[in-house]
Amino acid sequence: DAGVTQSPTHLIKTRGQQVTLRCSPKSGHDTVSWYQQALGQGPQFIFQYYEEEERQRGNFPDRFSGHQFPNYSSELNVNALLLGDSALYLCASSLAGGTGELFFGEGSRLTVL
Amino acid sequence: AQKITQTQPGMFVQEKEAVTLDCTYDTSDPSYGLFWYKQPSSGEMIFLIYQGSYDQQNATEGRYSLNFQKARKSANLVISASQLGDSAMYFCAMREISSSGNTGKLIFGQGTTLQVKP
Repeated sequence: DAGVTQSPTHLIKTRGQQVTLRCSPKSGHDTVSWYQQALGQGPQFIFQYYEEEERQRGNFPDRFSGHQFPNYSSELNVNALLLGDSALYLCASSLAGGTGELFFGEGSRLTVL
Repeated sequence: AQKITQTQPGMFVQEKEAVTLDCTYDTSDPSYGLFWYKQPSSGEMIFLIYQGSYDQQNATEGRYSLNFQKARKSANLVISASQLGDSAMYFCAMREISSSGNTGKLIFGQGTTLQVKP
């Protein structure tokens, strides 16, 4: 039973560039949430996708956008990268209407130079 | 606004001893869920234990137990018989339980780094 998988695991970008991060949810899960975790901090909720729509959003600018595909996988896009966007980006999946337990991937570590 | 506070940036414990990691929360919602996650250096957040706001008994999962004191708004994690593999970052988190169902939005604390000494 495959867990949550994320790609790439590490990447380096320069300021102003754009990045796309990908996530495949745990088998049987239909809801994907994205979190940003700065070094030494707790994760911060970015947004959640269910039925290919953004259902809930945290306090992040419009530079952060996402998408969910019919197979429930998801992408996180960040435009006009800033140095402060350097972080570990975590994807979590869950089953709508279930217990709500989130299963996390190992994350994509983004460094912006 | 919801808030999670973990006041212990770092903790040390001797192998085989028990350790308590503190967590206090603030919410005005009557329905909420409290979680503890473990994050090793690999980065993955590993679910440890869950406590619902209406659960009458403290949650337990193997060596993990949650000391839930609702009036004090605290949800401390107790790890019994610590092992070297328990060395990691530990996060307390909270989620509202809305009428529309569970959401994926968790509010996390700052975390506590636990080091287990041999």
